[in-house]
Amino acid sequence: QKEVEQDPGPLSVPEGAIVSLNCTYSNSAFQYFMWYRQYSRKGPELLMYTYSSGNKEDGRFTAQVDKSSKYISLFIRDSQPSDSATYLCAMKATDMRFGAGTRLTVKP
Amino acid sequence: EAQVTQNPRYLITVTGKKLTVTCSQNMNHEYMSWYRQDPGLGLRQIYYSMNVEVTDKGDVPEGYKVSRKEKRNFPLILESPSPNQTSLYFCASSLALGLTTYGYTFGSGTRLTVV
Repeated sequence: QKEVEQDPGPLSVPEGAIVSLNCTYSNSAFQYFMWYRQYSRKGPELLMYTYSSGNKEDGRFTAQVDKSSKYISLFIRDSQPSDSATYLCAMKATDMRFGAGTRLTVKP
Repeated sequence: EAQVTQNPRYLITVTGKKLTVTCSQNMNHEYMSWYRQDPGLGLRQIYYSMNVEVTDKGDVPEGYKVSRKEKRNFPLILESPSPNQTSLYFCASSLALGLTTYGYTFGSGTRLTVV
């Protein structure tokens, strides 16, 4: 079993839809949780950074962490074609572990 | 502009021919790391460095070398590349306080093909 599991998709939604991206993990020692966005032919860029459980909101993006269920989510409201990218979850105790990424396409 | 710069962006080489991928950051970050990204496997860490002259193995270090002689540079060396090292490589850096690192800044990637 991988330490971090992420559905690779692909996920295709119409513009304006609410998108839900998820990861599950097995290591209860993870304390820092991140989401990265990776456009084609680019490196990942940090989108959201949260510590422990709870919610964090930044504009159209909301990150949720449920440590009791070992489950994290990223919600994108009013999705735009410019949100089309691969989204990677990442989590850290001492070492950083990445999910394999979910490819999202937002169609105009 | 704060950034991590990798070179080259694309490289095709032959088996056994030594190569170096350079990485430089201008953010005065203590922590630097190399990853390879393969379909279905995600990002896997090759080597990392907590500071100058301090390097350690990641999850997939076989066939790679690194050095950290200066804070800003962290080159990745493949002494004798093999086809299974064909991959997309990323360098990343992060602020570090003690053993705690924060969100990473990634370079734009180097696509390496070994034939």
